[in-house]
Amino acid sequence: QVQVMESGGGVVQPGTSLRVSCSASRFPFRNYVMHWVRQAPGKGLEWVASILYDGSSQDYTDSVKGRFTVSRDNSKDTLFLQMNYLTSEDTALYYCARGSYSGATEAFDIWGQGTRVTVSA
Amino acid sequence: DIQLTQSPSSLSASVGDTVTITCRASQGIDGYLAWYQQKPGNAPKLLIYAGSYLKSGVPPRFSGRRSETDFTLTISSLQPEDVGTYYCQRYNIAPFTFGQGTKLEIK
Repeated sequence: QVQVMESGGGVVQPGTSLRVSCSASRFPFRNYVMHWVRQAPGKGLEWVASILYDGSSQDYTDSVKGRFTVSRDNSKDTLFLQMNYLTSEDTALYYCARGSYSGATEAFDIWGQGTRVTVSA
Repeated sequence: DIQLTQSPSSLSASVGDTVTITCRASQGIDGYLAWYQQKPGNAPKLLIYAGSYLKSGVPPRFSGRRSETDFTLTISSLQPEDVGTYYCQRYNIAPFTFGQGTKLEIK
């Protein structure tokens, strides 16, 4: 069925980097805006980053601007989030979510199960 | 940035009750408001989009109403499986803000 699946999470030290991935299947990945959303332990949902269909435009929440980079490889149906200068505030479950189809404005209708990132010394 | 204020933060109700959750936007969002359900230990699930449109497969006991800045999610005939946390979200342009969440428990 239509799905996305995250991978690459782990335990890292403050100040280091990590790249998480999201693999999409059974839908035309290249035609959809894609998003990263995170959830800190016991907290609510926080939108992190988004990328346009062809990767030509990205948006970020203020707290990660300059540290995180979202990218995609449409030939491999894969979304990435490169996270640099990680702090304990970045500890969370990171979800990948499907957004708008080409030209439309749509909610986040497909979510993965998340990949856990823990930043700890 | 546009803020979303969701209330209440928690509520407890009995099976068969009707409950309503409110989400107020600090400015108009052209109706681009979604509601998500997150059951414990699971990923969020889209319930309603454009303020009042039910996603395919979502039980009709869920409904949404919209105005320019005020949105409500109503769950009629509450069922045990409705336990979880509900979030509103604006999705027209970035930042794609979520509400603070409403935790729903069954008495």
